Amino acid sequence: EPEVTQTPSHQVTQMGQEVILRCVPISNHLYFYWYRQILGQKVEFLVSFYNNEISEKSEIFDDQFSVERPDGSNFTLKIRSTKLEDSAMYFCASSPQGAKGTGELFFGEGSRLTVL
Amino acid sequence: TQLLEQSPQFLSIQEGENLTVYCNSSSVFSSLQWYRQEPGEGPVLLVTVVTGGEVKKLKRLTFQFGDARKDSSLHITAAQTGDTGLYLCAGENFGNEKLTFGTGTRLTIIP
Repeated sequence: EPEVTQTPSHQVTQMGQEVILRCVPISNHLYFYWYRQILGQKVEFLVSFYNNEISEKSEIFDDQFSVERPDGSNFTLKIRSTKLEDSAMYFCASSPQGAKGTGELFFGEGSRLTVL
Repeated sequence: TQLLEQSPQFLSIQEGENLTVYCNSSSVFSSLQWYRQEPGEGPVLLVTVVTGGEVKKLKRLTFQFGDARKDSSLHITAAQTGDTGLYLCAGENFGNEKLTFGTGTRLTIIP
């Protein structure tokens, strides 16, 4: 069964360092997302991406964050200068028709980011 | 800001019992989804409800969307240990790609 895969599963970094989280969405999906979940808190929307551009972003997704789909398969989230409060589990998701279509999102297993 | 509050936050019951989990908001959503999340994994979609008053059944799980599309419930009949997990509701806002997730209910089924 096709699935969304994420790497790395866990990354530890120093405050101020750049981090890139990678995702391979399901191959025929058109909508891509990043969500995060701080330990013990709810899942929060960061950004949605469609047709090679950001379609929506939350207030969390400030200038320190960027997304890219460099080669038609990978979907990356970059944090330019990490802060302690960026420590969280980051989930990538993809969807064939988007949340406002069928609403069916498929999530990866997450990348745990720990900022020291 | 739209909020989805789930109750109870924690629920621990014996195998074979029935239970209901609630997802409430003061905001209207165009659709609502229920996910289950296992430790160390991403949320897995269980169901999407779209129409006010809609009821969907998935084996022993029954999902209902409130008439006003502000709330939803998940009822599990004859709970099994395999039902243990974190249950999340998530609302879709009209025309938006963002899902607003609820606070979660952590369910433990005791053998």
